[in-house]
Amino acid sequence: IAGITQAPTSQILAAGRRMTLRCTQDMRHNAMYWYRQDLGLGLRLIHYSNTAGTTGKGEVPDGYSVSRANTDDFPLTLASAVPSQTSVYFCASSDAAGDADTQYFGPGTRLTVL
Amino acid sequence: GQNIDQPTEMTATEGAIVQINCTYQTSGFNGLFWYQQHAGEAPTFLSYNVLDGLEEKGRFSSFLSRSKGYSYLLLKELQMKDSASYLCAVMDSNYQLIWGAGTKLIIKP
Repeated sequence: IAGITQAPTSQILAAGRRMTLRCTQDMRHNAMYWYRQDLGLGLRLIHYSNTAGTTGKGEVPDGYSVSRANTDDFPLTLASAVPSQTSVYFCASSDAAGDADTQYFGPGTRLTVL
Repeated sequence: GQNIDQPTEMTATEGAIVQINCTYQTSGFNGLFWYQQHAGEAPTFLSYNVLDGLEEKGRFSSFLSRSKGYSYLLLKELQMKDSASYLCAVMDSNYQLIWGAGTKLIIKP
């Protein structure tokens, strides 16, 4: 099935715990992105990767880290979760960075930090 | 700073036409995107404009005026399934998308 998958679908997490959100795409897209979506705000970019082996910081990177070991996977890690990281997290991908390519989104992970 | 403005909520009647406006101020411009997002789901791509003018795609059209920093999404022959949030996003000089907060469109029978 072509597209982007994310796991878990939802998670409740105690503050201070470590959590990794998984994202996998099978479209062979070069660029991948992590966004968070909060009520009343636009999607905000956390981290991005223009190609395997490279990553960059977006608008709200603090408290998050990413890696891009291969083309398909782009996990997002919260080292020590805090309640302000309660949000819906979307992973997205596009064919190429540095170009106005359409971004395609995964189904999202709803994370609650207590 | 960079800013995308769109109305928070709009209401329209099934079968009617609705126009959702978006104004933007960004550092650079590499195109404007419209996405549709149903409640609890992922955003899905609707349209892309990089040149001034109207792009028509079925019941949906999108307009861009770069000199005015303005775009609109026009939805015709509204159907109940069009009830969703519509997100405006501008690609800046770094090819990163800057997103508006979205317009929630409520369709009434």
